[in-house]
Amino acid sequence: GQNIDQPTEMTATEGAIVQINCTYQTSGFNGLFWYQQHAGEAPTFLSYNVLDGLEEKGRFSSFLSRSKGYSYLLLKELQMKDSASYLCAVRAHGSSNTGKLIFGQGTTLQVKP
Amino acid sequence: GAVVSQHPSWVICKSGTSVKIECRSLDFQATTMFWYRQFPKQSLMLMATSNEGSKATYEQGVEKDKFLINHASLTLSTLTVTSAHPEDSSFYICSASHRQEKASTNEKLFFGSGTQLSVL
Repeated sequence: GQNIDQPTEMTATEGAIVQINCTYQTSGFNGLFWYQQHAGEAPTFLSYNVLDGLEEKGRFSSFLSRSKGYSYLLLKELQMKDSASYLCAVRAHGSSNTGKLIFGQGTTLQVKP
Repeated sequence: GAVVSQHPSWVICKSGTSVKIECRSLDFQATTMFWYRQFPKQSLMLMATSNEGSKATYEQGVEKDKFLINHASLTLSTLTVTSAHPEDSSFYICSASHRQEKASTNEKLFFGSGTQLSVL
């Protein structure tokens, strides 16, 4: 079956660095996405990994290891506005269904002053 | 970036009535749209895949006669919750695929703003 695991909650301090982990077991793999979601709002795209390694985009970086079924999202220089849920999602199918994503349960990050 | 518009943002209805939610891609053509539902403090659960001009593909456990999906054009998909009951109260979100020009496999999903449905 399809399984994506990430911690339920995390707390960090403003200005610090936090790493949110995600492990997955899916039937096939065609990319991993990270989304940010504030309460009552739609998710917004943060990053995409399909090859092993680190993708950096400003204060956000995402890492992927396909052999380990593992990814993490790294947030640097945390700001209060970074308090949100972070969703790990895997695209498990090939070109016949390219947009279908399977989401983890999300990690609620609370940034404290 | 691409914009997906979803209406209404919230709706309150009586038990037994039907509610229609619209999802539009405003500046791109979306051959495929997806409908998710999300309960409080839980993640998005895919309900169905909506393909323009054809029948929707429903995930296991989702009643197709209760959640009617119509994808009549390349920019519009609708979800109708028929005979709504309190247990259907949830946050419904649509998304649309936007294929990147240079990386055919890097197909982003753009989400609508979501619809909070409350059934009394």
